[in-house]
Amino acid sequence: DAKTTQPTSMDCAEGRAANLPCNHSTISGNEYVYWYRQIHSQGPQYIIHGLKNNETNEMASLIITEDRKSSTLILPHATLRDTAVYYCIVIDNYGQNFVFGPGTRLSVLP
Amino acid sequence: NAGVTQTPKFRVLKTGQSMTLLCAQDMNHEYMYWYRQDPGMGLRLIHYSVGEGTTAKGEVPDGYNVSRLKKQNFLLGLESAAPSQTSVYFCASSRILGEQYFGPGTRLTVT
Repeated sequence: DAKTTQPTSMDCAEGRAANLPCNHSTISGNEYVYWYRQIHSQGPQYIIHGLKNNETNEMASLIITEDRKSSTLILPHATLRDTAVYYCIVIDNYGQNFVFGPGTRLSVLP
Repeated sequence: NAGVTQTPKFRVLKTGQSMTLLCAQDMNHEYMYWYRQDPGMGLRLIHYSVGEGTTAKGEVPDGYNVSRLKKQNFLLGLESAAPSQTSVYFCASSRILGEQYFGPGTRLTVT
């Protein structure tokens, strides 16, 4: 059973913030939310992860709702190079079985 | 650091042939993984390893075998290739707790 649900596709204008939602209503207390992206046919690239608190790094911000049932990945100023498939994954501290669902195909438009 | 490298990048096999895919990482990571990705699909975990000398099955292990004789290497074997194994194969590695680093992939076609 899929642990996460994401929209199939989204568009975003270049220079604007891209907000990618993810629902994980069955998440357990010890499970983290991870985000990866896959550009064209390359290997997936780690973006960010979090447990409860919002997180920010040089690539993106992760906003997790207080009940932890959903999260949003924010790319603050999307560029054409951010066009990719974005995967939201839920996994616990000791789990190795990352399940990559279909993800969200983000198209950044000029 | 080269990160995660995969050999070969491309391969065409005939049904019934065998081959081994090599994954190497130079980050001293404990965990290593093999995934396959079919067209338009997400990645599916084939096998993984939590350390040298250990392996475990993932979501789709049938038709594949793996070995982790050295910490830095993780081998994926196909003993008798089938057309259903035509896919892109990705290797990844990670610390015990942390993000996975992926290789560039191996594109395998079985005719």
